[in-house]
Amino acid sequence: GESVGLHLPTLSVQEGDNSIINCAYSNSASDYFIWYKQESGKGPQFIIDIRSNMDKRQGQRVTVLLNKTVKHLSLQIAATQPGDSAVYFCAENPDNTDKLIFGTGTRLQVFP
Amino acid sequence: DGGITQSPKYLFRKEGQNVTLSCEQNLNHDAMYWYRQDPGQGLRLIYYSQIVNDFQKGDIAEGYSVSREKKESFPLTVTSAQKNPTAFYLCASGSQPQHFGDGTRLSIL
Repeated sequence: GESVGLHLPTLSVQEGDNSIINCAYSNSASDYFIWYKQESGKGPQFIIDIRSNMDKRQGQRVTVLLNKTVKHLSLQIAATQPGDSAVYFCAENPDNTDKLIFGTGTRLQVFP
Repeated sequence: DGGITQSPKYLFRKEGQNVTLSCEQNLNHDAMYWYRQDPGQGLRLIYYSQIVNDFQKGDIAEGYSVSREKKESFPLTVTSAQKNPTAFYLCASGSQPQHFGDGTRLSIL
């Protein structure tokens, strides 16, 4: 069936290091992917998205990479800060509706 | 400020009661969604609406109902038929990307 999953449930990094959060998806027809950040007790906050006709997209301190060959998505955070500590979710849009399928999330912990 | 407002932030339900969660957006979005989030898990789609007066079931619609009488509002009713309603409920609006409210946490007394 369709699914979005993550390889690492928890990622611990030192402040200032770069973070890489990975995500696997199973539907090769998915044409839109998105990353959200969720802090405790709050709703998910949009970080960055990418369409299937792109391999890479950069934002402020964040980069999303899409590898359609192996159906893999990653979020790179440069110079990770304590404020980046949160749970990160990837999601895919598998059809021509606006429905998203979410992964289970990765917790990012940033240590000083 | 433009955004999505969910209320209340915390809600308690007695056994056998229906409760309604509010979601209002002033972003002029056609599409709105309701998700359920259980501890340590991702979001699962309950219902979605792509336009006023129309809505579709998501993956876990049983025990829930919605209405979409106005573009700005998409209330979710958790009925007594929902046997495990304790969860964090998130409303979203928009399309690529969807934007989220800050959720309502529902607990059973």
